[in-house]
Amino acid sequence: AQSVTQPDIHITVSEGASLELRCNYSYGATPYLFWYVQSPGQGLQLLLKYFSGDTLVQGIKGFEAEFKRSQSSFNLRKPSVHWSDAAEYFCAVVLQGGSEKLVFGKGTKLTVNP
Amino acid sequence: DAGVIQSPRHEVTEMGQEVTLRCKPISGHNSLFWYRQTMMRGLELLIYFNNNVPIDDSGMPEDRFSAKMPNASFSTLKIQPSEPRDSAVYFCASNKIQGVRANEKLFFGSGTQLSVL
Repeated sequence: AQSVTQPDIHITVSEGASLELRCNYSYGATPYLFWYVQSPGQGLQLLLKYFSGDTLVQGIKGFEAEFKRSQSSFNLRKPSVHWSDAAEYFCAVVLQGGSEKLVFGKGTKLTVNP
Repeated sequence: DAGVIQSPRHEVTEMGQEVTLRCKPISGHNSLFWYRQTMMRGLELLIYFNNNVPIDDSGMPEDRFSAKMPNASFSTLKIQPSEPRDSAVYFCASNKIQGVRANEKLFFGSGTQLSVL
């Protein structure tokens, strides 16, 4: 079945440390890929997206993500985490040429220790 | 711009009661989406509209759920009768682009926290 998987439910890092959040998808074709962030009590905000072209995409707040077709992955990274990055992060996909539906992963909650 | 506005922020009701959630999309946006978020199932798309017309309602759980968009600036999601398993956060989102690229930058409201006792 087509799906989006975020293997890590909860990740804790220290402020200033690097971060990588994993996302894998299982689709027959390359989908459009997104990362969203949700702060407590808020709606989701788009961090970055991949449609085509350069597989390393830059987003807001210093985040980047790399699309790896061979691994069906779209991992989110940040070289140095700030306390304000504590939030829940969602990977999402839309299948190219298919439905307009945005399918979300279950999310990864990020805790940042001082 | 005020962003996507949802009301109420919190709703507590008893099982069997009718619940109506409201959404005002960003002015000029013509795509509107309703999502439900729960711990067990994550974020699920319930229904979306393009130019006030429902395009895909396959995510609506059952007949107790209905959504309308009478004009470009207002949408409702109604649950009748409500059940405890409907407890969740319901998000509305909008965009001005149609088609797949509508997801390019969805603008989300702050959500309605629904508790059905």
